[in-house]
Amino acid sequence: SAVISQKPSRDICQRGTSLTIQCQVDSQVTMMFWYRQQPGQSLTLIATANQGSEATYESGFVIDKFPISRPNLTFSTLTVSNMSPEDSSIYLCSVEGQGAGNTIYFGEGSWLTVV
Amino acid sequence: DQQVKQNSPSLSVQEGRISILNCDYTNSMFDYFLWYKKYPAEGPTFLISISSIKDKNEDGRFTVFLNKSAKHLSLHIVPSQPGDSAVYFCAASRENTGFQKLVFGTGTRLLVSP
Repeated sequence: SAVISQKPSRDICQRGTSLTIQCQVDSQVTMMFWYRQQPGQSLTLIATANQGSEATYESGFVIDKFPISRPNLTFSTLTVSNMSPEDSSIYLCSVEGQGAGNTIYFGEGSWLTVV
Repeated sequence: DQQVKQNSPSLSVQEGRISILNCDYTNSMFDYFLWYKKYPAEGPTFLISISSIKDKNEDGRFTVFLNKSAKHLSLHIVPSQPGDSAVYFCAASRENTGFQKLVFGTGTRLLVSP
């Protein structure tokens, strides 16, 4: 399985500010994915981050609000811009597992509270 | 439109008994399904998966059953242990558009009591 580290693990943010979440993987992966879990809700895919190209966003998510960087095959960042209380969520990055079988692994998550 | 549904928000089971968690989906194009366990303040942990070409997959205490005609899958945990207490999410995807893009259910909180 892949080891995925996220920073920060938790933060309290002021309304109107932006925060960048980092995701580091211990092996090279082609695609990285960013999910959000709002309180009491399910996990929702925000975007797919490929190295060397722009991220692909899912319906309801836009680059201006959630800019993503993917500078290399082991690292990605997600920025939550101009935050409002509705952005209070757990943000998770995920990667495809290595080896046989289709498996997706998740980081520990970054718990953001916007006040 | 919730494409993946877990209609039971919670389930309580005694230690040693079987836990059965259910999941329904509406999109017949889904052909890959996964179960995750999630503890508070942690990321989801992969448990088991199944492709639509199978109707059962087993890994230790965990077995996933898939009924394609009913668009239903279930996770069986036997025997249940207190450490299994967590929120369980089922997820679905389509291999031809990227199996990595998961659509999650809303989760079922399992409580296993000693």
